[in-house]
Amino acid sequence: GAVVSQHPSWVICKSGTSVKIECRSLDFQATTMFWYRQFPKQSLMLMATSNEGSKATYEQGVEKDKFLINHASLTLSTLTVTSAHPEDSSFYICSAGGVGYTFGSGTRLTVV
Amino acid sequence: DQQVKQNSPSLSVQEGRISILNCDYTNSMFDYFLWYKKYPAEGPTFLISISSIKDKNEDGRFTVFLNKSAKHLSLHIVPSQPGDSAVYFCAADAGGTSYGKLTFGQGTILTVHP
Repeated sequence: GAVVSQHPSWVICKSGTSVKIECRSLDFQATTMFWYRQFPKQSLMLMATSNEGSKATYEQGVEKDKFLINHASLTLSTLTVTSAHPEDSSFYICSAGGVGYTFGSGTRLTVV
Repeated sequence: DQQVKQNSPSLSVQEGRISILNCDYTNSMFDYFLWYKKYPAEGPTFLISISSIKDKNEDGRFTVFLNKSAKHLSLHIVPSQPGDSAVYFCAADAGGTSYGKLTFGQGTILTVHP
């Protein structure tokens, strides 16, 4: 079946720095990828939709300048958390559209 | 506005018995529903899904029921096993131009006791 690889699994960064999270489709091409965020003991919330070759679309309340999304190829989408702050600490998960609903393994971000 | 709701934060069941997890939705545009199992710090694992044109789908120990008029779906696990202990999320897709974009419920923590 479709496999989505997400890296890193966890990352700790200092406040004010930027962190990049990668999401790759291993055995298929994904024109669309979705980025979700889950705070502790809460639901998964869609942040943005990443489209290959075009600008990402963001959900209401998500700062596009803070969460930069790049989908430069059909197998890779990246999410960069810029100038991270402790309140950005969360679990970030990607999924690939068009081939069912397969999720990556997630990235736990801790900003200290 | 929570469009997908799981009103039971937790459920405790004895091994071998049936686990019933419930989910309600408000958006009538949803036409595809899924159940996921999730452990902390891991991505969701797909369990079973159902299209809005059906009222039941079965896969091994897992059965999903959909009552479209009541905007309600449920996941039945029979028999329950200790390895089923996890957080279960229901999710819904409105299809069309939103295909693949999921709205999740809050999750239900299932604990299956040996």
